[in-house]
Amino acid sequence: EVVLTQSPATLSLSPGERAALSCRASQNIKTYLAWYQQRPGQAPRLLIYDTSNRATGIPARFSGSGSGTDFTLTISGLEAEDFVVYYCQQRLSWPLTFGGGTKVEIK
Amino acid sequence: QVQLVESGGGVVQPARSLRLSCAASGFTFSDFHIHWVRQAPGKGPEWVTCISYDGSNQFYADSVKGRFTVSRDNSKNTLYLQMNSLRPEDTAVYYCARGTTNHAFDIWGQGTTVTVSS
Repeated sequence: EVVLTQSPATLSLSPGERAALSCRASQNIKTYLAWYQQRPGQAPRLLIYDTSNRATGIPARFSGSGSGTDFTLTISGLEAEDFVVYYCQQRLSWPLTFGGGTKVEIK
Repeated sequence: QVQLVESGGGVVQPARSLRLSCAASGFTFSDFHIHWVRQAPGKGPEWVTCISYDGSNQFYADSVKGRFTVSRDNSKNTLYLQMNSLRPEDTAVYYCARGTTNHAFDIWGQGTTVTVSS
């Protein structure tokens, strides 16, 4: 099973700042990584698939990069609604797995 | 609009059974793999199972293999999850989610809550 480790667990930033969220895989997953945003009480929402492809309707301030075992979700210019939780997910092999999440909070 | 709506959750005693449903609308259901993903209170999502677009293939997490069965009725645009021998650790919000060709989850339902407790 591919284990995904997200860091940091909590990221404290101010609106307008840039956020860099890390996701590290326990083995090479090529570029088979997705990112989700989850607001309280809601289902996750797909942001990025296959490392760097934005899903439909996702603003350009969200971008993804990486390959192999190290991946980054970057949010350029945090807006108020971005201060929530983010998860990564791999699709290299079954079982599909998620990381433990990064909470972006207002500093 | 494109939508998935889960139902069937509730409170159930350990070792009992429950069946969840997921009704799809707004897209061609039979074209897509569909997944169940659950989320325990305060935890991250956990993938549970996937069924292929035509129902011919199913995949399960080890934690539910042999206890849960996923099925679908494409004539009714509905997905099912039969959960047997439920355990307290199965307590979670259960979401159905549409799978893309890249095995990402692009459409999610609102979730249905399952609580396993005596």
